[in-house]
Amino acid sequence: EIVLTQSPGTLSLSPGERVTLSCRASQNIINSFLAWYRHKPGQAPRLLIYAASTRATGIPDRISGSGSGTDFTLTISRLEPEDFAVYYCQQYGSSPLTFGGGTKVEIK
Amino acid sequence: QVHLQESGPGLVKPSETLSLTCSVSGGSIRSYSWSWLRQPPGKRLEYVGDVYNNGKNSHNPSLESRVTILTDTTKNQFSLKLTSVTAADTAVYYCARLVLSGTFYFDYWGPGTLVTVSS
Repeated sequence: EIVLTQSPGTLSLSPGERVTLSCRASQNIINSFLAWYRHKPGQAPRLLIYAASTRATGIPDRISGSGSGTDFTLTISRLEPEDFAVYYCQQYGSSPLTFGGGTKVEIK
Repeated sequence: QVHLQESGPGLVKPSETLSLTCSVSGGSIRSYSWSWLRQPPGKRLEYVGDVYNNGKNSHNPSLESRVTILTDTTKNQFSLKLTSVTAADTAVYYCARLVLSGTFYFDYWGPGTLVTVSS
């Protein structure tokens, strides 16, 4: 199965800052079938990006995804209060689908 | 806006059956496929299984044949049954709507419910 490694594990940042999160796959992800989710404690995870770079419904353009092959990134250009959360990547190019271990973005 | 909410017992005894229900509001379950995922404490999210809009099922092979997922269109709900549970099945369980058009990701999730397997 494809193992997804997210880095860094935790980031301490201030509102308004820019952040780039990494998701690296152990094998090529077919068709760039990679999604990103944001998860705040006690809330439902929210889909941000699918197909590596397509924003989900209602996601603002300050959130963007890029990458292909084995290296993918999620970038938030200006952190808002709702962005302080845990972010997960998920690949669905190969079975079984797998998730990364998550990156926590916390308030500095 | 689609909302999902998991419900069910928070404590299950070893060897018994874990049963959870996901109530869906803001849309009919008929036209979509639906999934269960889980996250054991300190571990990664894990796919459990799903029920497709044609009624067929799929599940994580690691769970062997212990998983049953059904829909109840009269109540706009779907359910999960996991038999012969052990402590390894302790996790936060999430229900989600599956986007299945040559793809396999989840566009709406519930907030999750913790199920502990313990005597």
